[in-house]
Amino acid sequence: DSGVTQTPKHLITATGQRVTLRCSPRSGDLSVYWYQQSLDQGLQFLIQYYNGEERAKGNILERFSAQQFPDLHSELNLSSLELGDSALYFCASSNGASSYEQYFGPGTRLTVT
Amino acid sequence: GENVEQHPSTLSVQEGDSAVIKCTYSDSASNYFPWYKQELGKGPQLIIDIRSNVGEKKDQRIAVTLNKTAKHFSLHITETQPEDSAVYFCAASRRYSTLTFGKGTMLLVSP
Repeated sequence: DSGVTQTPKHLITATGQRVTLRCSPRSGDLSVYWYQQSLDQGLQFLIQYYNGEERAKGNILERFSAQQFPDLHSELNLSSLELGDSALYFCASSNGASSYEQYFGPGTRLTVT
Repeated sequence: GENVEQHPSTLSVQEGDSAVIKCTYSDSASNYFPWYKQELGKGPQLIIDIRSNVGEKKDQRIAVTLNKTAKHFSLHITETQPEDSAVYFCAASRRYSTLTFGKGTMLLVSP
């Protein structure tokens, strides 16, 4: 158990809908990272937050957004969902602003029908 | 940006054999190289990492080597066991930057 928690574990929704994925980092970790994992693209970095502020952006679509709250938990919002958004979404956390030693949560499996 | 290539994509070994997975990276400024193990239905688990100021690091049956000149690093698993079966990912980053992952290697250890 990495200490990172994610909810929900599974999510099934229809095209065009909006969903919110939630992540709680390890105790004491200030950075949260979101990744998308699909069979053809592997693990793709989406976005990083450090102590409430956006720190880095990767291959995140404009339909996706995230935020980190004062209690350091983070939410990833996915809107106008398309079939191609079906994937595993992972959250990871690390102690500082650096990406060294990231610990991953169990993931949320999103299925868009 | 950084590009990480990982080989092989699949690797089958007999229990007790050694397994080696290799990665190359493109950004000479990268200085952190972790390895993750992902079991079916779980998130990636950090198993070992190495920084650019060392050439090798060991932890029981696993070891990682780094050749900065050639820009490649490898994961070595000795005395493999069936529970080592999983997908392994290498990654690279420079300080205060984000991790770039390889495509993964599916390791199958047969009893």
